[in-house]
Amino acid sequence: QQQVKQSPQSLIVQKGGISIINCAYENTAFDYFPWYQQFPGKGPALLIAIRPDVSEKKEGRFTISFNKSAKQFSLHIMDSQPGDSATYFCAASIRGGSSNTGKLIFGQGTTLQVKP
Amino acid sequence: SAVISQKPSRDICQRGTSLTIQCQVDSQVTMMFWYRQQPGQSLTLIATANQGSEATYESGFVIDKFPISRPNLTFSTLTVSNMSPEDSSIYLCSVEYLGPYGYTFGSGTRLTVV
Repeated sequence: QQQVKQSPQSLIVQKGGISIINCAYENTAFDYFPWYQQFPGKGPALLIAIRPDVSEKKEGRFTISFNKSAKQFSLHIMDSQPGDSATYFCAASIRGGSSNTGKLIFGQGTTLQVKP
Repeated sequence: SAVISQKPSRDICQRGTSLTIQCQVDSQVTMMFWYRQQPGQSLTLIATANQGSEATYESGFVIDKFPISRPNLTFSTLTVSNMSPEDSSIYLCSVEYLGPYGYTFGSGTRLTVV
């Protein structure tokens, strides 16, 4: 119930195309859904995030679509560029225990390759 | 956002030895988190470290194997004890900023156990 399932595992997109990565969760207590971008040799960097009371959030070329009833959310990268080639992780946060502190549960990751 | 420095960035260690990883943050933070990222895999939370109290470990991780210190609000260490090749992973420090919903990660420590 704590899992976040991410697909696809890998994705190849032509430059200028749309990259779409999907995630699904079970635990309705999750209250924060970020996406992270990770380049080789680097730690994950926060890309964009959404709360469950919002159905869509857009920041530049990156959009999160959130479907609360289906317990699914997705990342759309518009006009994909070779510089977007990286591994993308969805995640979900749940407040737990007496510390009331969020912990991130990560999806399995998607390796995106954008071809020039 | 907070800036995190992790040391060492990488190391190759003999099995049976221990390695201590340092995480330094440029601002005071309440919670610090340690994650493991096995080769080609996702990130798994090892433990949460709160200054002045014992770390809270996730299922499958124990203090004897991964002791954590949190002496102040800007620093933490994770020790990987009695290492085996299965401990070869990237270990990442993370902190919470901008309230309970923002998390920054360090660049990680790439550990290889031979």
